[in-house]
Amino acid sequence: LAKTTQPISMDSYEGQEVNITCSHNNIATNDYITWYQQFPSQGPRFIIQGYKTKVTNEVASLFIPADRKSSTLSLPRVSLSDTAVYYCLVGERAAGNKLTFGGGTRVLVKP
Amino acid sequence: EPEVTQTPSHQVTQMGQEVILRCVPISNHLYFYWYRQILGQKVEFLVSFYNNEISEKSEIFDDQFSVERPDGSNFTLKIRSTKLEDSAMYFCASSYIAGSSYEQYFGPGTRLTVT
Repeated sequence: LAKTTQPISMDSYEGQEVNITCSHNNIATNDYITWYQQFPSQGPRFIIQGYKTKVTNEVASLFIPADRKSSTLSLPRVSLSDTAVYYCLVGERAAGNKLTFGGGTRVLVKP
Repeated sequence: EPEVTQTPSHQVTQMGQEVILRCVPISNHLYFYWYRQILGQKVEFLVSFYNNEISEKSEIFDDQFSVERPDGSNFTLKIRSTKLEDSAMYFCASSYIAGSSYEQYFGPGTRLTVT
């Protein structure tokens, strides 16, 4: 299972773009990169998933370089409600696979 | 949007008592999971369940724990004899219908407090 490393915390301000980088040096060929978001006292919520290059949805963008040893989650124009813990997970994309969460990055958006 | 629901939202119990945590996964999902999160710590996998049997379980999921899908909608986690260290948020999740992205949908959690 690929180990992930991400910053413990980040501060930002409303309206700014937040970029969270996750390192996963021993990512395997079949592994995908998935990001989840967790608000206090709530369950994690899927944000985005990718294998290579760039993936964008209505919530975020995910940038993955060619060597796939890292990835960057980009949250455009954050608001106070984006304050949460963001988790980077790496693993095979298969039905029924368990999720292994690390410590995540605590993002605090200030007014 | 469909969602996973869990009851109760908060359960207080005495050490040694049995508790049952209930979950209603998203209909048509095929895989079901329980995770827990001790206050201030990581989300930890407990067990996954598919086709009416356990697919995988972690070291945490010992003989004190059991899961059941008693009917077509509910998914339960039973702790037979609770310990103080079982105090945590317990999250149920479900996933997978054909053609989906395998993402897991989590419920709001049940906060279990063992006194």
